[in-house]
Order: sequence, then C-alpha cells, then structure tokens
Amino acid sequence: SQKIEQNSEALNIQEGKTATLTCNYTNYSPAYLQWYRQDPGRGPVFLLLIRENEKEKRKERLKVTFDTTLKQSLFHITASQPADSATYLCALNSNDYKLSFGAGTTVTVRA
Amino acid sequence: KAGVTQTPRYLIKTRGQQVTLSCSPISGHRSVSWYQQTPGQGLQFLFEYFSETQRNKGNFPGRFSGRQFSNSRSEMNVSTLELGDSALYLCASIRGTSGRETQYFGPGTRLLVL
Repeated sequence: SQKIEQNSEALNIQEGKTATLTCNYTNYSPAYLQWYRQDPGRGPVFLLLIRENEKEKRKERLKVTFDTTLKQSLFHITASQPADSATYLCALNSNDYKLSFGAGTTVTVRA
Repeated sequence: KAGVTQTPRYLIKTRGQQVTLSCSPISGHRSVSWYQQTPGQGLQFLFEYFSETQRNKGNFPGRFSGRQFSNSRSEMNVSTLELGDSALYLCASIRGTSGRETQYFGPGTRLLVL
C-alpha cells in the first residue's frame, strides 16, 4: 500500500541550530514533492516544491532535497528561530488530481 | 488577490444532522480540493473538483458529498452526522489543471458534532 512517513511527530531544537525533517514514501512515483507549514488552527501554507529531476532547492533559510532512489526528501531549516515553530507537512501526488500528505512533524524552536 | 475563503469558520451540530460547508477559491483558480483533518488521521483527501466535475474521491462514505459551481465556488455536504465527523475541514484552491500542483488552503471550517 502507499505510505508517506515523516520521521517523527515532534522535533525540539535550540534557536540558531538546523532542523532536519525527513519524508519517506513507498509505492509512489511522484513527479514532484511539496512541503507545507501549518500553524495551529490554520490551513497549511505552501513552502517549497521540488521536481523529480531536481536534487535540491532553496528558499531563504529553507532547503529541500529529493532522492527518488531512496524515496526520500529532507527538509532543512537553517539558523532556526522561535517563529519557525510549527507543523511541517510533506505532500506528493499519488495519482491524477490528488495530493497526499504525511502526518507532519511538529517543530519547536527554543529561544 | 484575495485568498481562499471558507464559511462558516466554526460550526456545532448534533448527531444525525446534516451540514453544508462553502469554499470560494482564489480568483482564476478552477480546481478545488477538500480535506478532513483530525489529530489521529492527519490530512485526508475528500474530493477534487475541476470545472464542475468531480475528478477524484477519497475513501469516505457516501454521506460526504460535494459539488462545484460554474464560478468555481464549491460546497461540501455531510449528511447524518456522526461524532467522528468532528474535524477541521479544509478547502484548497489550485491554479493548474491536474489537481496535484501547489495547493492554497483556506482557514478551514471547524466542525464539532455533539
């Protein structure tokens, strides 16, 4: 069966450190993979999209890698700040017209 | 450009009742997806509409239904509500045509079934 697994439910890190989140998938052949941020009580907000032929993508302090051989994406937040505290979701297409989401990893950045 | 709007934002219903939720996508977006989010199950896909046609449906019972109008606004309906239907219902507006592109989410409707 198809599965999307994000490494852990929660990640606590010190301000200034790098947070690394993992997204592993099985039985998918996604054309691209996306990362979203969700704050409590709000809808997810799109952060980054990486295509299957791209190895790495960056946006400000965010970096995403995509390894289709390992079936894994890594999401990095460098120089983390307390404002980065949120739940981060990875998402990928399972078939036409549908995006499937992982359960998310909640990041807490301590000042 | 205005974002995705969902109404109502909060709703309290009792078991057995039915509910209709509304979503207005970003102007120019023709695809809308609906999701149910609960602490235990995460974000689960309900259905996706494009040009008034449902193109994909998730694994939910027939009590969950939806539709899309010619102006791309969408509604979803849940009949015979159960306690387990308590959740955050999210609508996402998609600019492209495949339904798999970047999704722009609304604030959600928080439904509580008593």
